[in-house]
Amino acid sequence: GNSVTQMEGPVTLSEEAFLTINCTYTATGYPSLFWYVQYPGEGLQLLLKATKADDKGSNKGFEATYRKETTSFHLEKGSVQVSDSAVYFCALRSNTGNQFYFGTGTSLTVIP
Amino acid sequence: GAVVSQHPSRVICKSGTSVKIECRSLDFQATTMFWYRQFPKQSLMLMATSNEGSKATYEQGVEKDKFLINHASLTLSTLTVTSAHPEDSSFYICSATDLIAAGGMYFGPGTRLTVL
Repeated sequence: GNSVTQMEGPVTLSEEAFLTINCTYTATGYPSLFWYVQYPGEGLQLLLKATKADDKGSNKGFEATYRKETTSFHLEKGSVQVSDSAVYFCALRSNTGNQFYFGTGTSLTVIP
Repeated sequence: GAVVSQHPSRVICKSGTSVKIECRSLDFQATTMFWYRQFPKQSLMLMATSNEGSKATYEQGVEKDKFLINHASLTLSTLTVTSAHPEDSSFYICSATDLIAAGGMYFGPGTRLTVL
């Protein structure tokens, strides 16, 4: 079946620190992978995506590479800002349908 | 990019009343929309898949008679919480996929339901 396992939080970092949030997946076939971000009181926003192995998704300084050999899609940012404080969700979309499978979310707090 | 709206953003109602939440895709057609429920500090739980012109498909454990879903057009799906009770208080989020973009899922901003 399909599932996403995401690093548990909460994560607290100082401004300008390096961020890694681990995400691994189990899927049949060749899924697409996504990171979504949810700011307090808001819905989810697509942060980045990758649709095939070795693709790198990037946006707003965040990056994640689709690693088929390790079934991973870890989120990284070289220098976090206070405004990056949010909950981050890793997700996969099966190539056989529209359904998304979400990880449990990782709460990130960046302190000045 | 694709935009999905939800209305209302917040609603407070009395126990026993029904509440309707609308989900609209503003600049694309969505044959399929999804309804999620999110409890505080938890992930999204898929409630149902809403298909335009046909009955919704509900996930196991979700009461179809309590959470009525109607997908009236390619840009509108509604979720009606019937005879709401305090335990139905939650954050409800809809999403839609833009099949033309063949990429991500676009989420609405969510509706905060509080049942007194």
